Amino acid sequence: DGGITQSPKYLFRKEGQNVTLSCEQNLNHDAMYWYRQDPGQGLRLIYYSQIVNDFQKGDIAEGYSVSREKKESFPLTVTSAQKNPTAFYLCASYRGQHPEGYTFGSGTRLTVV
Amino acid sequence: GDSVTQMEGPVTLSEEAFLTINCTYTATGYPSLFWYVQYPGEGLQLLLKATKADDKGSNKGFEATYRKETTSFHLEKGSVQVSDSAVYFCALRSGGSNYKLTFGKGTLLTVNP
Repeated sequence: DGGITQSPKYLFRKEGQNVTLSCEQNLNHDAMYWYRQDPGQGLRLIYYSQIVNDFQKGDIAEGYSVSREKKESFPLTVTSAQKNPTAFYLCASYRGQHPEGYTFGSGTRLTVV
Repeated sequence: GDSVTQMEGPVTLSEEAFLTINCTYTATGYPSLFWYVQYPGEGLQLLLKATKADDKGSNKGFEATYRKETTSFHLEKGSVQVSDSAVYFCALRSGGSNYKLTFGKGTLLTVNP
């Protein structure tokens, strides 16, 4: 079955370290997104990419970086510049031209200690 | 910019009670509207959608009607079950080519037997 795979499910890192969250999809979707979820804050857009080798900042891009070298993959790096990185991170992809075309991964919970 | 406001939780109901979760939005043009559900530790699943005014989205006993005059998309269910316990997000997608979703803050629903 097609879908989005986020790994790992839980991630612990020491303060000051960069960490990369994986997001892979086999849906042949062009667009991919990263959201951050905090309790009581809903989901906020970090970065998105509509085609390979192109991506745009979302609403809270500071302290994060992404790459899109392959259609299937959209990894997110949480850098040491991100002041409060502990959160639940969700990756999504979009088929395009279909309102129901979004698919979400199961998320990665990052805890910085 | 686009925004979604949904009623704050948590909402606690007894099984078979009637559920309403209010959602209002601000957007340019004619957005598509969605309700997503998130079960503990998981990603988001599309619950229902509506793409134009007066459309009614429905799924699994849940309903929501796109009301342009009141810019609302309230979620309702006539008889909730324990298995409906989850976080519910209202979201919109405006026109344009980036296909970004804008989410409300989420409403935690707990249904007791």
